[in-house]
Amino acid sequence: EPEVTQTPSHQVTQMGQEVILRCVPISNHLYFYWYRQILGQKVEFLVSFYNNEISEKSEIFDDQFSVERPDGSNFTLKIRSTKLEDSAMYFCASSVAGTQETQYFGPGTRLLVL
Amino acid sequence: KNEVEQSPQNLTAQEGEFITINCSYSVGISALHWLQQHPGGGIVSLFMLSSGKKKHGRLIATINIQEKHSSLHITASHPRDSAVYICAVVLSGSARQLTFGSGTQLTVLP
Repeated sequence: EPEVTQTPSHQVTQMGQEVILRCVPISNHLYFYWYRQILGQKVEFLVSFYNNEISEKSEIFDDQFSVERPDGSNFTLKIRSTKLEDSAMYFCASSVAGTQETQYFGPGTRLLVL
Repeated sequence: KNEVEQSPQNLTAQEGEFITINCSYSVGISALHWLQQHPGGGIVSLFMLSSGKKKHGRLIATINIQEKHSSLHITASHPRDSAVYICAVVLSGSARQLTFGSGTQLTVLP
């Protein structure tokens, strides 16, 4: 069964460094999402992406975040200058269509900012 | 302000018991999702509902749009059902952004 994959599974970085989290969505899916979950808290929406542009973004998704689909298969989340509070599990998800479709989640990348 | 509330926060059951997890929301929605989060953190989509009822194996999900309430039922619970169950909604006016509840930690004892 096709699945969403994410790399790396874990990343440790120093505050102020840039990180890129990578995702490979399911191949025939058109919508892509990033979510994050700070330890012990609820999952939060960051951004959705369709047709090579941002469809929706939350207040969390400020100028330090960016997303890109560089090569038609990968979908990346870049955090330009990490802060301690960016430490979280980041989930990528994809869906065939939009509102009424199931979102398939990747296994997550656990990011720790020191 | 919590737009999505789940109850209970924690639930412990004996194997074989019938389990109900509740989700209430305070805003207009276009769809509601039930998700399962495993102890390792992975998230699996169980159901997407916009009306009525859906069943998959031992899992049943219902939604009452007028009452802004959904329930997830597990029949004949098993220790492997132990996980966090999360309700998430697509708010009216949003294309596809999910707003999540805090989750219900379910533990099924053998």
